Amino acid sequence: DTEVTQTPKHLVMGMTNKKSLKCEQHMGHRAMYWYKQKAKKPPELMFVYSYEKLSINESVPSRFSPECPNSSLLNLHLHALQPEDSALYLCASSRHYNEQFFGPGTRLTVL
Amino acid sequence: QKEVEQDPGPLSVPEGAIVSLNCTYSNSAFQYFMWYRQYSRKGPELLMYTYSSGNKEDGRFTAQVDKSSKYISLFIRDSQPSDSATYLCAMSGFGGSYIPTFGRGTSLIVHP
Repeated sequence: DTEVTQTPKHLVMGMTNKKSLKCEQHMGHRAMYWYKQKAKKPPELMFVYSYEKLSINESVPSRFSPECPNSSLLNLHLHALQPEDSALYLCASSRHYNEQFFGPGTRLTVL
Repeated sequence: QKEVEQDPGPLSVPEGAIVSLNCTYSNSAFQYFMWYRQYSRKGPELLMYTYSSGNKEDGRFTAQVDKSSKYISLFIRDSQPSDSATYLCAMSGFGGSYIPTFGRGTSLIVHP
């Protein structure tokens, strides 16, 4: 299995909702990442987990809360988002900190 | 100056052309160089991965790294309409620069 899966594919939520994005990989990778990508921009790093511990938080607002329940799973909990948070949210994993494999993304729309 | 510079394009070529995509960088600590292909509204797909300088070939794709000039290239031979996508370069190093830094991506259009 050489892929990263993400659910849901699309998500529409209001500013008062709470939702979660999920990511899974079975490649034995010990580093997992959340990125945010706006149209016509490169992916923007949000969080890095290394060996299930949060190692990097790129000053992301607290309305985004990551969680790594085990070495194969990564969640991103969303609460009280703003319309400007609408974007493609990408999960990635890597064996080493360079060759990253990305999931298909969750397209999030905040109304 | 950004760490990684990449012309956003769009680059429009006829089917069958040889395409050259390029990135320049300023951080001499970069040792790993990646090219990703991203179709519209999809996640990036790793195409090529190169360590240090030199060439690497995979089918119609060739990646070149010139560390002395801090310049990397991706060549696509016999380009096809299905190659139409955004191509992102990314690079990383050791220590504090181990997280990849991405270029802004070049939009490629291959027309029949």
